[in-house]
Parts: sequence; structure tokens; C-alpha cells
Amino acid sequence: AQKVTQAQTEISVVEKEDVTLDCVYETRDTTYYLFWYKQPPSGELVFLIRRNSFDEQNEISGRYSWNFQKSTSSFNFTITASQVVDSAVYFCALRESSYKLIFGSGTRLLVRP
Amino acid sequence: DSGVTQTPKHLITATGQRVTLRCSPRSGDLSVYWYQQSLDQGLQFLIQYYNGEERAKGNILERFSAQQFPDLHSELNLSSLELGDSALYFCASSVGGGPGTGELFFGEGSRLTVL
Repeated sequence: AQKVTQAQTEISVVEKEDVTLDCVYETRDTTYYLFWYKQPPSGELVFLIRRNSFDEQNEISGRYSWNFQKSTSSFNFTITASQVVDSAVYFCALRESSYKLIFGSGTRLLVRP
Repeated sequence: DSGVTQTPKHLITATGQRVTLRCSPRSGDLSVYWYQQSLDQGLQFLIQYYNGEERAKGNILERFSAQQFPDLHSELNLSSLELGDSALYFCASSVGGGPGTGELFFGEGSRLTVL
């Protein structure tokens, strides 16, 4: 069965620190898709990135970077030089052939000034 | 703004009542998804429709039902409401309906409070 684990319930950092949010997934499928979403205090879910299982290239987008490692079934998310506006709940999600997009329990990130 | 519209944004009702949540997907998107977000259960997938037909089902209670209409908007009906149904209900849409269809775009959610 598909499963997404975000072991870090809450992380608190001081502004400008780098922070990594962990995501470990379980799936029996060879083709699957991984996602990260951000949920700021306002409540909406904002799409950040999608990664296919056959593309293990890491990706960088500004201060955000993602490290996908099939060998450890992990898809970690790093924010470099964090800012107060990064404070939010971050969700990792997995979609396999069953069509369902399953979310992890989320990591609440608090960036303090 | 994701382009997905959900109404109402807030809803307060009593136990035993029935409510309908409405969702308009992004222009051009054929799939609609419903999710429930509660403090103890996290984000739970309820159901997906693709071009009017049910595509996938998650942990949706029998008291809940959904449909997607010919104009592609969707409604989630919640009946015989219980206190535990209080949650934020999200609708999302995507272009296609398959696993590789790309990201889901979420609406702002409908917050349901059952008293």
C-alpha cells in the first residue's frame, strides 16, 4: 500500500538558517509521482513541485531544492536562507497507479525573525 | 489564485443536518478531487471524478456523496452530520485523470463546523 511519512511534526528555525524537511514514501509501483505542497496560515494548498519516479535529478528553484533518492525512498525538501514567509505546513504526497494522491501528515515550519 | 473556486468558504450547522459544498474546477480541467482535512486525520482523499464519472474512491463515508455535472463543477453532499465531520474540505482539479496527470490545483477550502 502507498504511504508517505513525514516524521518531523514541527521544526523551528531562525531566519536565514537552512532547513530540510524529510519525506519517506512506500509504494509497490515502479511508476509513481511525488509532490510537495505548502499550506500557509491562510489555509490554501499551494503546489511546489512534482517529480516522476524515473527522474532522479535533483531540482533547485530559487531558495528551494529537492533531493529525490529512490534507493532510500526519500524525497527531501530544503529551504536555503529561510524567511519568515516560509512559515507554513509543508506536505509531501505520493501518487501511484491507483490515481489517489496520498498526503503525509505534514511538517509545520516556523521561521522566527 | 489557483483558479479553483469553492463555496461556501465557511459553514456552521447542527448535528443531523445536511450540507452541500460546491466546487468549480480550473478552466479546462476535467478532474475534480475532494479532500477532507481535520486535525486528527490530516489530509484524507475522499473521491475523484473525471469528466463526470467516478475515477477513484478513498475514505469517503456512506453519509457523504459527490457528483460531477456536465459543466464539470462538482458537489459534495454531507448528510446526517456529526461533530466529527467538522473539518476543512478541499476541492482540487487537474487537467487529466490518470496518475501521471500532473499536479492538483486546490481551492481555498470550505470550513465546516458542526455544532
